[in-house]
Amino acid sequence: AQSVTQLGSHVSVSEGALVLLRCNYSSSVPPYLFWYVQYPNQGLQLLLKYTTGATLVKGINGFEAEFKKSETSFHLTKPSAHMSDAAEYFCAVIRPGGSYIPTFGRGTSLIVHP
Amino acid sequence: DAGVTQSPTHLIKTRGQHVTLRCSPISGHKSVSWYQQVLGQGPQFIFQYYEKEERGRGNFPDRFSARQFPNYSSELNVNALLLGDSALYLCASSLTPGTGGLEQYFGPGTRLTVT
Repeated sequence: AQSVTQLGSHVSVSEGALVLLRCNYSSSVPPYLFWYVQYPNQGLQLLLKYTTGATLVKGINGFEAEFKKSETSFHLTKPSAHMSDAAEYFCAVIRPGGSYIPTFGRGTSLIVHP
Repeated sequence: DAGVTQSPTHLIKTRGQHVTLRCSPISGHKSVSWYQQVLGQGPQFIFQYYEKEERGRGNFPDRFSARQFPNYSSELNVNALLLGDSALYLCASSLTPGTGGLEQYFGPGTRLTVT
């Protein structure tokens, strides 16, 4: 079985500050990892994904994430927050060779102050 | 190109009633998945359909059912509604299940309120 833990239900940053959203996973095999963003009253949009290869993955809107197997982590970062980044962010994991159904974390709400 | 569409956007039902939610996938996508997102939590997997066949089912009671049509659109049905069924119901489409479905495209959801 796989699981995802997102540390911090809310993260608050100032505009222009570094964004760091934490995600740790549990999986019996190296998983596929995803970050999604959800704006109010909308569905989820894929920000980035890691399947194989380079462990530093770049996504849309200036976000990136690094797969660290030794730490079982896939934290999401952005060097400089923008007001438009305020949203709910979800980390998800898929176990290769299984059902390929994603398991989502509980989400982290990013609040950006002017 | 149109994205995933869902209807209705909002719905209010009474306990014990039945509800049908609809989803149209992105053109060319043959797999549709349904998720329930309760306020403050991540999406929980309900069903996955591919080529009109159920390919996966999450831990939901038999009151939940779904089907996929020849044009790959899908319906989610929930019978005997409970207050706890109040949630945002998300539909996601992908080219195929499995490795072809690693990129899922989500619709805006249907907000169901049960009173």
